[in-house]
Amino acid sequence: KAGVTQTPRYLIKTRGQQVTLSCSPISGHRSVSWYQQTPGQGLQFLFEYFSETQRNKGNFPGRFSGRQFSNSRSEMNVSTLELGDSALYLCASSPRGGGVQPQHFGDGTRLSIL
Amino acid sequence: AQSVTQPDIHITVSEGASLELRCNYSYGATPYLFWYVQSPGQGLQLLLKYFSGDTLVQGIKGFEAEFKRSQSSFNLRKPSVHWSDAAEYFCAVGLMEYGNKLVFGAGTILRVKS
Repeated sequence: KAGVTQTPRYLIKTRGQQVTLSCSPISGHRSVSWYQQTPGQGLQFLFEYFSETQRNKGNFPGRFSGRQFSNSRSEMNVSTLELGDSALYLCASSPRGGGVQPQHFGDGTRLSIL
Repeated sequence: AQSVTQPDIHITVSEGASLELRCNYSYGATPYLFWYVQSPGQGLQLLLKYFSGDTLVQGIKGFEAEFKRSQSSFNLRKPSVHWSDAAEYFCAVGLMEYGNKLVFGAGTILRVKS
């Protein structure tokens, strides 16, 4: 069974641009969560999507947004990029939403802002 | 506020020695507890989880963890460390009312010396 797939693996952008990251969950998984990992702040929850609806949201500005498609694939978008947005963005999937479940992580997208 | 503390930023052990990584949490309700491992350039791999029942849980790669409610702890142990165990280890906590949102500790970097 294929794992969680995140594309692209690496991205370089400049301040003020916007970026879209993609995540394909494990087949049959319907919940997708996104996390930001930085050396200073560690791993922080961005949001969770289930059945194309945002179920939970972390404490991030509105520049960070996401969506989920009917096939459970998810994208996250960051607009007006800032230097501090440089991070590893991790996507995780689990079979369903509602309640706590073990999450399976992808290898992440490394975003660098110049 | 919810928090997860991993007191040790770095730990160095000799190959073949035993290992214990500490994790303490601060929550009012009964948490769902996880340990993940991250190798450089990769995502997070689930080692084990505690939801309820037996407080000593077994995971993959020979790891185990013990939930101690009185100490609000969920320490990870391994009787004999292998060089391939060198990685960063994260403790994480989830709460039922927050769905699949996980709160992570800052991580412990494990170095294994031969």
